[in-house]
Amino acid sequence: QVQLQESGPGLVKPSETLSLICSVSGGSIRTLGYYWSWIRQRPGKGLEWIGYIYHRGTTYYNPSLMSRIRMSVDTSRNQFSLNLTSVTAADTAVYYCAKRREGDDAFDVWGQGTKVTVSS
Amino acid sequence: QSVLTQPPSVSGAPGQRVTISCGGSSSNIGADYDVHWYQHLPPKAPKLLIYANTNRPPGVPDRFSGSKSGTSASLIITGLQAEDEADYYCQSYDKSISGSVFGSGTEVTVL
Repeated sequence: QVQLQESGPGLVKPSETLSLICSVSGGSIRTLGYYWSWIRQRPGKGLEWIGYIYHRGTTYYNPSLMSRIRMSVDTSRNQFSLNLTSVTAADTAVYYCAKRREGDDAFDVWGQGTKVTVSS
Repeated sequence: QSVLTQPPSVSGAPGQRVTISCGGSSSNIGADYDVHWYQHLPPKAPKLLIYANTNRPPGVPDRFSGSKSGTSASLIITGLQAEDEADYYCQSYDKSISGSVFGSGTEVTVL
């Protein structure tokens, strides 16, 4: 059974880059296929889709964040990552990584989430 | 501002039936994309409750059901239980952004 675990700094300074990693266990990203995603929840707000990455590297990003996002896959480490540049306080959120189901757009496996605060 | 519209809150007594609506548009639900539903009880991760409009993953009680019609969808909880107190989100695909969109979320309170 696939499991996901986010890791990264809990505090990032304004204007810097937020970098998060999602480690995949229970299967190989390379052989599993699937689209892997990042989703966040800002304080008092709903869920917000950030982007997907396919195991071969194809990406789809939320247009509202596209200019600041980069997602990548490291199949050798069985991880995928998120870089969000030029962060502001508005990027303070709980960030989740998730696996998209094969055949539809549902997210059936989620990491536990990691809280990131943007503050000086 | 969320692309999919949900009521901020719904409530019901134990055993009652509650319905959560999810309103979309011609670029998402109305374009015949599937709707999925999640139960979220922070700080836990969201849990997939219904996928592809009407399907329950293994382990999800059958008191949860989903429907879709036109540009909207609904999550129905029959026989409401105290443990169902949580936030619920709908989600679909939107062709205008080539990606996923979520509803604004609905808080369910068991009276």
